[in-house]
Amino acid sequence: DGGITQSPKYLFRKEGQNVTLSCEQNLNHDAMYWYRQDPGQGLRLIYYSQIVNDFQKGDIAEGYSVSREKKESFPLTVTSAQKNPTAFYLCASSILKGMNTEAFFGQGTRLTVV
Amino acid sequence: LAKTTQPISMDSYEGQEVNITCSHNNIATNDYITWYQQFPSQGPRFIIQGYKTKVTNEVASLFIPADRKSSTLSLPRVSLSDTAVYYCLVGVPFGSSNTGKLIFGQGTTLQVKP
Repeated sequence: DGGITQSPKYLFRKEGQNVTLSCEQNLNHDAMYWYRQDPGQGLRLIYYSQIVNDFQKGDIAEGYSVSREKKESFPLTVTSAQKNPTAFYLCASSILKGMNTEAFFGQGTRLTVV
Repeated sequence: LAKTTQPISMDSYEGQEVNITCSHNNIATNDYITWYQQFPSQGPRFIIQGYKTKVTNEVASLFIPADRKSSTLSLPRVSLSDTAVYYCLVGVPFGSSNTGKLIFGQGTTLQVKP
């Protein structure tokens, strides 16, 4: 089935450890995005990428890093520099051309740092 | 980026039509209006998108007045499964050169009662 897959669904880490969240898509989409969602809040953009080996900071990039070595993969690393990493993380992808397009979201990874 | 204002929450009953209005007074010429639906612990899902007048698909209608300073998402005959958060986004859509810059605010939490 075509879609966007995030893994794992739940992730627990100790404070001070880096952790990498996986995002894979087989939709052949050029653009991929990472969002963070806190309880009762909307989504905030962390990073996005429009092409392999290139990515741009979103509104809350501090404490996060990404890579885009393959078109279908856009992993997010939550570093120890992120002061409040516990949140729900969502990955999305979209085509890059045309105006009437949508983003497809994964099921999310809930990260808890203790 | 155009700021949007929508009600924090709404209640409805099964079988009723629900209208959720979004205000976006500083919408720009190139901006589209897009609505997403999000269930708890899932990624948002595209509902509908429009630029002006009326757009209808199999799940919803979107009404946009001539001045485009507001828009109304209409859900016909809601069911319990329509209980979710609904986001109104205004901006250049995913897939364009400004990709990733759509803002997901707090959204409207719709509660459908039996």
